[in-house]
Amino acid sequence: QSVLTQPPSASGTPGQRVTISCSGSSSNTGINYVYWYQQLPETAPKLLIFRNNQRPSGVPDRFSGSKSGTSASLAISGLRSEDEADYYCASWDNSLSGRVFGGGTKLTVL
Amino acid sequence: EVQLVESGGGLVEPGGSLRLSCATSGFTFTNAWMNWVRQAPGKGLEWVGRIKSKTDGGTTDYAAPVKGRFTISRDDSKNTLHLQMNSLETEDTAVYYCTTDRRVEGPTLFYGMGVWGQGTTVTVSS
Repeated sequence: QSVLTQPPSASGTPGQRVTISCSGSSSNTGINYVYWYQQLPETAPKLLIFRNNQRPSGVPDRFSGSKSGTSASLAISGLRSEDEADYYCASWDNSLSGRVFGGGTKLTVL
Repeated sequence: EVQLVESGGGLVEPGGSLRLSCATSGFTFTNAWMNWVRQAPGKGLEWVGRIKSKTDGGTTDYAAPVKGRFTISRDDSKNTLHLQMNSLETEDTAVYYCTTDRRVEGPTLFYGMGVWGQGTTVTVSS
């Protein structure tokens, strides 16, 4: 059971906008930054969003992050087939004194 | 080019030990906090632990399942990160990734696990 809760799956058609949620608590997402990672099949994960809503250099602006209270969201607009991947949220948990990940959301592009 | 290359994975019996290494290049390793993250077959990502830069104290933090069994260390003279794993259990079977964390490069501060290695596979089985 992951500390951060994500839906196990999400889907959309090309060009559509999809959102993936990440729910935590007052000891993690409620007071610490949220990060998002994309893992394409058979590859290492890649940082998509840092500090709630910042994009590293090279990440398309189709990807955006937001946070409100203890919940965060990753939005992908103009969905493309190459966006089909697993997406993970992460944060620091002050009670556990450690980094925590969500269980991951498998995004399917129909 | 920033690069992380893990090595040292393999097959080990329950109760055994293994030492993973992560050779780094292309960035100022001494100014970087580093993580180990693992992924069991068909499962999600699990944070293993972190070591801060010596400038920030060089302290370590570990996930509960590995605390007391795993030790993260760094050799700044060789730009290398290590993970010593003792008392291995079948549940430790996973691909182990080293990643950067907070790091400073000149005037720029990077946040998050921005760079990942390709991973090394650890299998604990009799």
